[in-house]
Amino acid sequence: DQQVKQNSPSLSVQEGRISILNCDYTNSMFDYFLWYKKYPAEGPTFLISISSIKDKNEDGRFTVFLNKSAKHLSLHIVPSQPGDSAVYFCAASANSWGKLQFGAGTQVVVTP
Amino acid sequence: GAGVSQSPSNKVTEKGKDVELRCDPISGHTALYWYRQSLGQGLEFLIYFQGNSAPDKSGLPSDRFSAERTGGSVSTLTIQRTQQEDSAVYLCASSGKERDYLRNEQFFGPGTRLTVL
Repeated sequence: DQQVKQNSPSLSVQEGRISILNCDYTNSMFDYFLWYKKYPAEGPTFLISISSIKDKNEDGRFTVFLNKSAKHLSLHIVPSQPGDSAVYFCAASANSWGKLQFGAGTQVVVTP
Repeated sequence: GAGVSQSPSNKVTEKGKDVELRCDPISGHTALYWYRQSLGQGLEFLIYFQGNSAPDKSGLPSDRFSAERTGGSVSTLTIQRTQQEDSAVYLCASSGKERDYLRNEQFFGPGTRLTVL
């Protein structure tokens, strides 16, 4: 049962433009949401997170939006850079510790 | 500083053999996780250790899978009688600083790619 879904397996965007990645979840008990970035042959690295008490969190070029009523979150990258080309995973958990449930990932390619 | 390390980086085995995968977490981290990523899939939770508490084994797919954590540090994931569907990248993560627990940030190793022929 896939509780976290990323319906877009890939996204291509021009350098300098905005990248928007989407994530949906089904478990209403989730309160913590994270985005991880993964390069080939490396482990995922933490990018940004948000808890359910907020609807937006910003860190530099990265902003995460949470819509709890729709069980939807999104990651905005502005402006996109070639080094942003990677697989992005959405993850969620019910607590601020313990297992994370991951989406299948979205491959982002930023073209010059 | 040293991150999470895993060994071996690659393992090829024959169906039916047992394998052991090792994880060295970040020093001082009390929480340790195992996940796996099959081809084209997201990360799938396997098991979680937190200090001296009983581990959360709810993600282990079958009784052929087991894991232990000795001395609260190094962990070994063992897969007995491997099957072809066990082929995946096995990832270990750890966490332990207070700020990590504020947002459930987990630090991942590079993974072990397991191929079962």
